[in-house]
Amino acid sequence: AQSVTQPDIHITVSEGASLELRCNYSYGATPYLFWYVQSPGQGLQLLLKYFSGDTLVQGIKGFEAEFKRSQSSFNLRKPSVHWSDAAEYFCAVDSSNTGKLIFGQGTTLQVKP
Amino acid sequence: KAGVTQTPRYLIKTRGQQVTLSCSPISGHRSVSWYQQTPGQGLQFLFEYFSETQRNKGNFPGRFSGRQFSNSRSEMNVSTLELGDSALYLCASSFGDRAVTGELFFGEGSRLTVL
Repeated sequence: AQSVTQPDIHITVSEGASLELRCNYSYGATPYLFWYVQSPGQGLQLLLKYFSGDTLVQGIKGFEAEFKRSQSSFNLRKPSVHWSDAAEYFCAVDSSNTGKLIFGQGTTLQVKP
Repeated sequence: KAGVTQTPRYLIKTRGQQVTLSCSPISGHRSVSWYQQTPGQGLQFLFEYFSETQRNKGNFPGRFSGRQFSNSRSEMNVSTLELGDSALYLCASSFGDRAVTGELFFGEGSRLTVL
């Protein structure tokens, strides 16, 4: 069965520091991969997605993610974090283009001033 | 353009009751998906509808049901509520024929508390 693992439940970074959130998936072929962000009391907003092609994907709000097939990873990065980036981040996979997303458990990002 | 609208935003029910949640997708979107979010289980897929047909269903008991109307609005129903049904229920809509090939736009959710 497909699965998504976000190893870090909680991460704290200083404002202006770089950020990397880890995501590993379990699936035999290349899945469709997503990163979503959820602010408190809000729904989810898509940051970026990977279907095929260039393995480095640019998203909104200055985020990017790199697909590494050999490591079954899709890590999210941002060079300089802003206080407004504090939120919960979810990695998700759709293995067969069914519209059924399997989410990781999420990583809560705290930003120190 | 209005986003995905979910009603009600908050509700409290008691065990054994039933509840109906409503979702109005973005105008022109024909695919609607539902997800349950809890602290323990995280985000779990409930079902997906396209053109009034259920195309996918998650691993939930039959107490959870849904439907989609001709105007793409969707409802989900949970009967015989249990304490464990307390959760944030998120609806997402998509323009495309396959929900995943387009972007999923999520509503703010309906927070259900079962006492």
